Amino acid sequence: GDSVTQMEGPVTLSEEAFLTINCTYTATGYPSLFWYVQYPGEGLQLLLKATKADDKGSNKGFEATYRKETTSFHLEKGSVQVSDSAVYFCALSEMGSGNTGKLIFGQGTTLQVKP
Amino acid sequence: DAGVIQSPRHEVTEMGQEVTLRCKPISGHNSLFWYRQTMMRGLELLIYFNNNVPIDDSGMPEDRFSAKMPNASFSTLKIQPSEPRDSAVYFCASSALDTQYFGPGTRLTVL
Repeated sequence: GDSVTQMEGPVTLSEEAFLTINCTYTATGYPSLFWYVQYPGEGLQLLLKATKADDKGSNKGFEATYRKETTSFHLEKGSVQVSDSAVYFCALSEMGSGNTGKLIFGQGTTLQVKP
Repeated sequence: DAGVIQSPRHEVTEMGQEVTLRCKPISGHNSLFWYRQTMMRGLELLIYFNNNVPIDDSGMPEDRFSAKMPNASFSTLKIQPSEPRDSAVYFCASSALDTQYFGPGTRLTVL
């Protein structure tokens, strides 16, 4: 079945460092891909999405490019801030679910940014 | 738009008691999802509905858990009887197409 694999955390960075969180997926067909972010004590929020190969999703300085050839959707940010400390989830839309919106989530990667 | 609304935000109960969690999805969304999140098991999909019909409940842990969606604007997740291992944060999410929008969650503690 479809699956998402994220790099293990926690990832600890200093403020203004470059961030990469790796995400690879296995899917039949061409799913949409997502990054969600969960701040402490809150629910998951959509950070960005891409719906087809070579699309780049971007938001709040974060970017991710849908790479069909490597089945990847890595999250990047050029300069992280302490306020970016959160758990980041990669996800894909499950194909064949009849457009019900069901998502397959990765296990989440915790990012800690130190001042 | 008020977003997905969940109540209560916090619930503390004793083992053996019935617990009911409530969710109001975003108006116009036709799919609703219930998740459970713990440190040990991460984020788990329990059940989801499409047009008020349960589509997949394979994630429901056992018969103590039940969920209903009597109309497009309301859903409940019930645990009866509750056990300490049910302690977790329960999230409701809704979607219209492929993007899910999450509520703030209900933190359940079973003593």
